[in-house]
Amino acid sequence: GAVVSQHPSWVICKSGTSVKIECRSLDFQATTMFWYRQFPKQSLMLMATSNEGSKATYEQGVEKDKFLINHASLTLSTLTVTSAHPEDSSFYICSAQWGQGGSYEQYFGPGTRLTVT
Amino acid sequence: KQEVTQIPAALSVPEGENLVLNCSFTDSAIYNLQWFRQDPGKGLTSLLLIQSSQREQTSGRLNASLDKSSGRSTLYIAASQPGDSATYLCAVYNRKLIWGLGTSLAVNP
Repeated sequence: GAVVSQHPSWVICKSGTSVKIECRSLDFQATTMFWYRQFPKQSLMLMATSNEGSKATYEQGVEKDKFLINHASLTLSTLTVTSAHPEDSSFYICSAQWGQGGSYEQYFGPGTRLTVT
Repeated sequence: KQEVTQIPAALSVPEGENLVLNCSFTDSAIYNLQWFRQDPGKGLTSLLLIQSSQREQTSGRLNASLDKSSGRSTLYIAASQPGDSATYLCAVYNRKLIWGLGTSLAVNP
């Protein structure tokens, strides 16, 4: 099956610093990747859709200047949380989409636990 | 606006029971529906994906059905085991995934 990795798996940073999270599709090319965040005991919330070679599409209420997304290649998308604050502490999960002929499936990374102190 | 609802929110059963998790969605215009498993503090494991043209998918002790016209899907788990304890999430896809809140399952030895 398709494998998606995330790095780091967990990170602790101080308030005001920036943190970069990488999402890689290891054995397939993904023109589209998605970034989600998940608060404790809640479901996933889509933050943005990342398309290779173009600007990301952000969901309503998500600050694009705070959550910078760069889809640099067909196997790598990065999420940078700029000037992080404690309220940004969350579980961030990416997914990479593979599909053809109208059939699509998303493959999920293992997630990154961000704690801002 | 698509909404996905999962019932029950939590379920506790003794080991060996067969059980059914329910998922309903409001807009039948979907490409596919997926069932995922999430262990506490962990990422997602895809269990089954049903395309909109399909009625069911099976994998081992798991069987998922889809009735698109009525906006319903069920996940059937046969002979439940303690290792099945996790949160089960249902999501429908039409340009993006719309998620339910999940069913938290505890299978007691």
